[in-house]
Amino acid sequence: AQRVTQPEKLLSVFKGAPVELKCNYSYSGSPELFWYVQYSRQRLQLLLRHISRESIKGFTADLNKGETSFHLKKPFAQEEDSAMYYCALTNTGRRALTFGSGTRLQVQP
Amino acid sequence: EPEVTQTPSHQVTQMGQEVILRCVPISNHLYFYWYRQILGQKVEFLVSFYNNEISEKSEIFDDQFSVERPDGSNFTLKIRSTKLEDSAMYFCASKSQGGNEQYFGPGTRLTVT
Repeated sequence: AQRVTQPEKLLSVFKGAPVELKCNYSYSGSPELFWYVQYSRQRLQLLLRHISRESIKGFTADLNKGETSFHLKKPFAQEEDSAMYYCALTNTGRRALTFGSGTRLQVQP
Repeated sequence: EPEVTQTPSHQVTQMGQEVILRCVPISNHLYFYWYRQILGQKVEFLVSFYNNEISEKSEIFDDQFSVERPDGSNFTLKIRSTKLEDSAMYFCASKSQGGNEQYFGPGTRLTVT
């Protein structure tokens, strides 16, 4: 069975501090990993996916197959980064997303 | 930019009643999904739909649930006889052929009393 674990429910940092939101997964095949973000009163939206290896809004995430992790990082947090962040997994055949429980990021001024 | 829309935004119903949640996916998308999120819990997959049939469903999606694409634009989730534990936020999502990203609607909050 596939599973996504986000160990932190809440992460609170000050503006300008580095951020790392942890995500670990268990899956026996070759997964596709995503980070979704939900800003206050807005819909879930894709932040980034591992296959494109992109940086969005200063966030990056590297898939580490040895540690089965896909941690989300940003070197300098901004107040507008405050949101719920969900790590999610799928495979090309299944298509349905398996979500982690989410981490609320609070960036304080 | 096209968006997935969902109606209603909030539905209150009595236990045992039938509810239909409506979604309008992005127009050229071919894959459709329903997810739910019980308050304080994770987003859970319910069902995926492609080519006018269910392609996958989770153990949550039992006989009380059904999905339909009644016309070229709407995608509905019906709960036949609601239970208290069906109270949740229900999200619709759609995806294009060959795309990786699922686009989510704003959700319908279902409250069963």
